[in-house]
Amino acid sequence: GAGVSQSPSNKVTEKGKDVELRCDPISGHTALYWYRQSLGQGLEFLIYFQGNSAPDKSGLPSDRFSAERTGGSVSTLTIQRTQQEDSAVYLCASSGGTSYEQYFGPGTRLTVT
Amino acid sequence: AQSVSQHNHHVILSEAASLELGCNYSYGGTVNLFWYVQYPGQHLQLLLKYFSGDPLVKGIKGFEAEFIKSKFSFNLRKPSVQWSDTAEYFCAVKYTGGGNKLTFGTGTQLKVEL
Repeated sequence: GAGVSQSPSNKVTEKGKDVELRCDPISGHTALYWYRQSLGQGLEFLIYFQGNSAPDKSGLPSDRFSAERTGGSVSTLTIQRTQQEDSAVYLCASSGGTSYEQYFGPGTRLTVT
Repeated sequence: AQSVSQHNHHVILSEAASLELGCNYSYGGTVNLFWYVQYPGQHLQLLLKYFSGDPLVKGIKGFEAEFIKSKFSFNLRKPSVQWSDTAEYFCAVKYTGGGNKLTFGTGTQLKVEL
């Protein structure tokens, strides 16, 4: 079946603008995760959804970052008033059942100029 | 804080050489362990995982990893690498009681030369 999809694949924005990144998980997967990969860094956890609720938001770096998930499916990560340090690849993953195996999407490369 | 260390950031090998990539994690009780691989231009894919049982786990493409609890390590091995193994390799840990998030190492860039 289809894997995790993310859009856009690339986003260039000016400092101070808001951006929305979208994730469409594997059908039937109840868990959804957002990670960030900055240059030279590993993947940094941002937020985890189980269904539509987010029991773990501990990785969101500031209140400029928010995320929502509707209908237990698509999720949107919003970054307000973007800063240059927000430039990174934003990865989404989903998992189902009890295996905890996370399936990753291709990512959105965000560049803030 | 929970953390994962990958000691080798860049590794260059010739085809047919043996590979071992180190991964150590900070103590945090029971863990689930993963190795992910990212081939050039592709997204992250699971290579292998350890949940319980035999500490030597085998994954795809001839890779294996050994969980040594006393050393908090989960090193990745392959007896004979191929040019097509050129990729970035990430070790990841799920800590029980830490939610479902994965804590990743910073990755090891492997280049296999012909």
